Amino acid sequence: GESVGLHLPTLSVQEGDNSIINCAYSNSASDYFIWYKQESGKGPQFIIDIRSNMDKRQGQRVTVLLNKTVKHLSLQIAATQPGDSAVYFCAEMVNYGQNFVFGPGTRLSVLP
Amino acid sequence: GAGVSQSPSNKVTEKGKDVELRCDPISGHTALYWYRQSLGQGLEFLIYFQGNSAPDKSGLPSDRFSAERTGGSVSTLTIQRTQQEDSAVYLCASSLIRSNQPQHFGDGTRLSIL
Repeated sequence: GESVGLHLPTLSVQEGDNSIINCAYSNSASDYFIWYKQESGKGPQFIIDIRSNMDKRQGQRVTVLLNKTVKHLSLQIAATQPGDSAVYFCAEMVNYGQNFVFGPGTRLSVLP
Repeated sequence: GAGVSQSPSNKVTEKGKDVELRCDPISGHTALYWYRQSLGQGLEFLIYFQGNSAPDKSGLPSDRFSAERTGGSVSTLTIQRTQQEDSAVYLCASSLIRSNQPQHFGDGTRLSIL
């Protein structure tokens, strides 16, 4: 399939290690954030979301942290697996104000 | 299936031709979005539909681009007089309502202009 984002920043991690993917968002008024995973040739797939009244949210093997003071979002993946290899995008939205704005993406490469 | 469906999955056409891309959103989703993704780039917003409201066309790059959504469901994105810089993956997404709901994406149409 097509490779998406050949020139994206790349994070390489060993299988089994934890991964941290970071995202700086632009609008201090943004109040809803999503992390998406995009595999080659596929559309972005929802992973986890968080609202601005929270600073942490956990899912299965994933945790999203939100620091509104510095407008920073991170995605932590525990015990990274080969199937986690993909491009990860963050997206921000201002309620009723505008559409989602997507970050540039980070390619996660899991090494055996 | 229950997901967002896009067709065709791939389209190759000559410069100057018109193309139509189709999106079938998830049933019941009132919001529908079109994005463009070029190689090495993030997602570029094109147009947004919500129910019977006038669409938000603020992301359309030129008047060669237009989109329709018939009956609040299926949408078509039309590119007239295609140019080589139109080559990209065109992604469609839908959601239940606009705010604070995740978008669900189709797998896109890869458009190649020769």
